[in-house]
Amino acid sequence: DQQVKQNSPSLSVQEGRISILNCDYTNSMFDYFLWYKKYPAEGPTFLISISSIKDKNEDGRFTVFLNKSAKHLSLHIVPSQPGDSAVYFCAAREGDFGNEKLTFGTGTRLTIIP
Amino acid sequence: DGGITQSPKYLFRKEGQNVTLSCEQNLNHDAMYWYRQDPGQGLRLIYYSQIVNDFQKGDIAEGYSVSREKKESFPLTVTSAQKNPTAFYLCASSAGMNYGYTFGSGTRLTVV
Repeated sequence: DQQVKQNSPSLSVQEGRISILNCDYTNSMFDYFLWYKKYPAEGPTFLISISSIKDKNEDGRFTVFLNKSAKHLSLHIVPSQPGDSAVYFCAAREGDFGNEKLTFGTGTRLTIIP
Repeated sequence: DGGITQSPKYLFRKEGQNVTLSCEQNLNHDAMYWYRQDPGQGLRLIYYSQIVNDFQKGDIAEGYSVSREKKESFPLTVTSAQKNPTAFYLCASSAGMNYGYTFGSGTRLTVV
């Protein structure tokens, strides 16, 4: 039962354009959402996060949007750069303080075309 | 520099053998996690520990065991009971969820 879904396994975008990565979730108990970026044979690195009480968070070229009613979040990267080529995972948090855990999506491989 | 170290980077195991993957952090984080990555399945939680001498099963704990005797260390043992152990294993630690996780560089385990 996949509680966090990334339905696009891959995405190709021209350099300089906007990349939009999508993520859907089913568990209403998730209260915090994060995006991670991963290169091959390396651990994921944290990109940006958003609390469930907000609908937008921006950090430089990266913006995350949350639509709670639709249980959907998206990551926008603009402008896209070749170094953005990687696998992106969305993750959702649940649990009380001291018993928190993240559930990850299956990932989207983003390729930026020069 | 503070960080989280996984060793070895590559590990080969014969069928029927137990093997232990190391994870050490010097970030003073209380929480530590083990994930497994398989193609097309993202990261799946194996075990996690929020405090020393305590740990909980994740979504796919069968065939694995852990210990948390020290704050800095969270080793994962892949036992012979794990039917499909070949995967990329990731360890992570956290100071609290609003800070996200810090991941190690991973261990690729192959059963031969």
